Amino acid sequence: KQEVTQIPAALSVPEGENLVLNCSFTDSAIYNLQWFRQDPGKGLTSLLLIQSSQREQTSGRLNASLDKSSGRSTLYIAASQPGDSATYLCAVSQRRGSTLGRLYFGRGTQLTVWP
Amino acid sequence: NAGVTQTPKFQVLKTGQSMTLQCAQDMNHNSMYWYRQDPGMGLRLIYYSASEGTTDKGEVPNGYNVSRLNKREFSLRLESAAPSQTSVYFCASSASRGSNYGYTFGSGTRLTVV
Repeated sequence: KQEVTQIPAALSVPEGENLVLNCSFTDSAIYNLQWFRQDPGKGLTSLLLIQSSQREQTSGRLNASLDKSSGRSTLYIAASQPGDSATYLCAVSQRRGSTLGRLYFGRGTQLTVWP
Repeated sequence: NAGVTQTPKFQVLKTGQSMTLQCAQDMNHNSMYWYRQDPGMGLRLIYYSASEGTTDKGEVPNGYNVSRLNKREFSLRLESAAPSQTSVYFCASSASRGSNYGYTFGSGTRLTVV
């Protein structure tokens, strides 16, 4: 069974720092990896989607990389701001067998950026 | 705005009551999903529908039933609610079950069973 792990579970940093959030997965047979943001009491907002054939995706201050062979992804946040405070979730879409297309989630990294 | 719409946003039920959570998407997606999110457990798949007319169990289907009413709508029913079903429920959709497209999520239904 696919297992997704996110490290660290929580992170608290001053404004302006560059951050790296880590995600690892056990089964490399994936269609893609998706990073989501979740604000307290809210739904999930998709940030970046990386296809299995891609190495990275960028959107504004966010950059996500994917190393499928080693089962790892990182989300890089440049020049962090208090508005970036949220929980960040990593999820992979399974490519094989009866779990085809199923999305497996990590438990998230809770980020706090203080002024 | 295009996306996934869930109703209701909040609900309180007494143990044993029944209710249906509604979900609709307007992106012409084939596949739809129901997840629950609990503290310390992450998001877990309850049921999914790969295409109109099909439904399958996910990781935690006990106590739930689903209906894929048409391509747009996928409902989740609790026949006899239990306190263990207190959770936040999310509906999601994707272009197809096995695809290179990502998922879109609704804003969630916060359910409390007392």
